[in-house]
Amino acid sequence: DSGVTQTPKHLITATGQRVTLRCSPRSGDLSVYWYQQSLDQGLQFLIQYYNGEERAKGNILERFSAQQFPDLHSELNLSSLELGDSALYFCASSFRDRDYEHFFGPGTRLTVL
Amino acid sequence: AQRVTQPEKLLSVFKGAPVELKCNYSYSGSPELFWYVQYSRQRLQLLLRHISRESIKGFTADLNKGETSFHLKKPFAQEEDSAMYYCALYSGNTGKLIFGQGTTLQVKP
Repeated sequence: DSGVTQTPKHLITATGQRVTLRCSPRSGDLSVYWYQQSLDQGLQFLIQYYNGEERAKGNILERFSAQQFPDLHSELNLSSLELGDSALYFCASSFRDRDYEHFFGPGTRLTVL
Repeated sequence: AQRVTQPEKLLSVFKGAPVELKCNYSYSGSPELFWYVQYSRQRLQLLLRHISRESIKGFTADLNKGETSFHLKKPFAQEEDSAMYYCALYSGNTGKLIFGQGTTLQVKP
């Protein structure tokens, strides 16, 4: 499968903990985007990386950080987790910077207990 | 402020009935608008974009700048249209896609 992949599929953890979500973009895509989907907030843009550099920032909390590595995969780190961080986290990729056509991964469902 | 509003969380229609999924936006500048769709157990994917004025799977959407709307329409709904639909606004300046809350379309047999 040459599409966007995300690991893990599910993650259950406790408040105060730290987790790392991983995303591998489509082959050849240079941009990676992270989104948070929750029942009450819908799909919220968190952050974008393009070829290793941060390009755009959305409603990303200070407790959250991300990076894109030389092989273009990206990781989203969530720390000091709170109950409200429970959500579906999507990664998307696109070939270009500032591209409206996103190719989404299957998501990681995070549950904070 | 840049915002996309989808007023209906759930829209339920019978097969063969017309469908209109509402989307309103707020954007200072020339908007680029899109509809994304997520079928059950599938990934979120681009359905159509206003600039191409195309019809995909029988769906069309017209940008109405006066009413700041981009409603998605289909004259005759099919059961396979059941899915979650997101309206999205692309901000070229920031490279962000701003999504609405999403509307679940349920087409009953």
